[in-house]
Amino acid sequence: EADIYQTPRYLVIGTGKKITLECSQTMGHDKMYWYQQDPGMELHLIHYSYGVNSTEKGDLSSESTVSRIRTEHFPLTLESARPSHTSQYLCASTGTGPSWEQFFGPGTRLTVL
Amino acid sequence: AQSVTQLDSHVSVSEGTPVLLRCNYSSSYSPSLFWYVQHPNKGLQLLLKYTSAATLVKGINGFEAEFKKSETSFHLTKPSAHMSDAAEYFCVVTPTSGGYNKLIFGAGTRLAVHP
Repeated sequence: EADIYQTPRYLVIGTGKKITLECSQTMGHDKMYWYQQDPGMELHLIHYSYGVNSTEKGDLSSESTVSRIRTEHFPLTLESARPSHTSQYLCASTGTGPSWEQFFGPGTRLTVL
Repeated sequence: AQSVTQLDSHVSVSEGTPVLLRCNYSSSYSPSLFWYVQHPNKGLQLLLKYTSAATLVKGINGFEAEFKKSETSFHLTKPSAHMSDAAEYFCVVTPTSGGYNKLIFGAGTRLAVHP
């Protein structure tokens, strides 16, 4: 079944730890995105990718980094987590063609103590 | 530049009564417009989309929205609210030109449905 997955769903971690949030999609989509969403707020784009070996920063500045070595995989890494990184992180993807629909994963809720 | 304004941060309705969630947009291009719904601790799900075809768009779960270019609006409606409709709703705009599928999100409207 075509879908988009994120792991972990919830993560509580201490300051200074390195973390990687995983995102995978089975739809063969070229474009993938990472959004950050604070509780009750809108989504802000922090990273996007047009395809393999393509990554760009989004509208909201973020200390995280991303990589796109495989089409289906778009992990996000924080080298040293801080309490200010506490948020929900949503991954999305979209294919080629005229449809602009982005398919979203269930999100990772990150808490940094 | 594109932007989207959701006019109400919170809307509360009784079960069985109509729902109206308001959205205004600004866009230099002919926009595509979407409504997404987000239930607690879930990702976003597409409710409906307007991509320059019919101005009245029907979506899932009985929702519909009408694109009004003269009013730059794309309000979401449902004739009769159900308890399961309680969620956060996001109006989204994106330009139809350009090679980058960039979504601009509104701040969201939290819909509460009470018995």
